[in-house]
Amino acid sequence: DGGITQSPKYLFRKEGQNVTLSCEQNLNHDAMYWYRQDPGQGLRLIYYSQIVNDFQKGDIAEGYSVSREKKESFPLTVTSAQKNPTAFYLCASSGGGEQETQYFGPGTRLLVL
Amino acid sequence: SQQGEEDPQALSIQEGENATMNCSYKTSINNLQWYRQNSGRGLVHLILIRSNEREKHSGRLRVTLDTSKKSSSLLITASRAADTASYFCATALPGSNYKLTFGKGTLLTVNP
Repeated sequence: DGGITQSPKYLFRKEGQNVTLSCEQNLNHDAMYWYRQDPGQGLRLIYYSQIVNDFQKGDIAEGYSVSREKKESFPLTVTSAQKNPTAFYLCASSGGGEQETQYFGPGTRLLVL
Repeated sequence: SQQGEEDPQALSIQEGENATMNCSYKTSINNLQWYRQNSGRGLVHLILIRSNEREKHSGRLRVTLDTSKKSSSLLITASRAADTASYFCATALPGSNYKLTFGKGTLLTVNP
């Protein structure tokens, strides 16, 4: 069963805590992305990776970090420097190159305690 | 600011009616894509139209692109209650296929 999985579905963060959101894909896609969605808003790009061991900042990278050590995995860490982390986080992947269609995971909702 | 802006922000129709959503953007694009999102879920790709194309069809969906007006429209014919969702347009700039810029979406409600 191919696709993108994200875990957990809900995540709670305490003040000053770093939390990591998981994203795994078995589509053999080269490119992966992290987006943030606030209520009633569109998606904003946090980070993206075109290939293993390489990633670039998106439009709102401050307070976030990523790694791409494996093709299948692109975890996102929300650091304590992100002062307003409450949002819905979506991971996506695409084949890269001319394969522009992005495939999305089910999302992780991050809430601050 | 957003590259793409959908209009209207919300649309409510009866089952069987057609639904039309519009997207305007500001700069030249490589392609424009439409995605659908059910409440609290991930996005699902619907259709991609390239800058040199004017119209594409997929089932009950029809997308048009007018690059001179920097606008696109998504038409859903014979709507069903299951079409209730938010619809987003996303644009890819020339030379940056990896980066999509999303609008704020149109919330479509189809009443049975």
